[in-house]
Amino acid sequence: DQQVKQNSPSLSVQEGRISILNCDYTNSMFDYFLWYKKYPAEGPTFLISISSIKDKNEDGRFTVFLNKSAKHLSLHIVPSQPGDSAVYFCAASETSYDKVIFGPGTSLSVIP
Amino acid sequence: NAGVTQTPKFQVLKTGQSMTLQCAQDMNHEYMSWYRQDPGMGLRLIHYSVGAGITDQGEVPNGYNVSRSTTEDFPLRLLSAAPSQTSVYFCASSYSAGKQFFGPGTRLTVL
Repeated sequence: DQQVKQNSPSLSVQEGRISILNCDYTNSMFDYFLWYKKYPAEGPTFLISISSIKDKNEDGRFTVFLNKSAKHLSLHIVPSQPGDSAVYFCAASETSYDKVIFGPGTSLSVIP
Repeated sequence: NAGVTQTPKFQVLKTGQSMTLQCAQDMNHEYMSWYRQDPGMGLRLIHYSVGAGITDQGEVPNGYNVSRSTTEDFPLRLLSAAPSQTSVYFCASSYSAGKQFFGPGTRLTVL
């Protein structure tokens, strides 16, 4: 049973608009959440993280929102750029020193 | 720094053969892990290690062995390869389990 779910396998967005990628989790012990980005034929790269003591974390064009009561987080990319086209993975762990569980990924296409 | 390196990049095996996927990091990271990526399944954790001499199972450990004799190296052994182990394998390392640095991957095909 998947503990981290990304129910949208793909998403298309116009350049300049907002991209919103969603993630749900089932393990209430998860306390630390991350987003990774992956281009074809490369390893994933870390994008942004958030711990459960926060409900929002920003880094430039990327913002992650966490709703612990709903066991839901989202990644907002504003404005979206063609170079953002990649697969985005949501991941979670119980502590920052525990194993990290990944979701199945969402493939984002930003159309020029 | 080379970061996380993985060898080989590509490998074809026959069913029943064994092999070792190599992973090394030069960042003095304590935490290392192995994932496999399959279509529609995302990245699934095979085994992980929180330091030299310590390993633990992830989500899909069956058919794989690991050891961590040094901080730098974390090899993944396939004991008797099966077609279900056809996948792309990624090794990662980090100071903690959070912000991991991934290697470029090994694409394994088992016939």
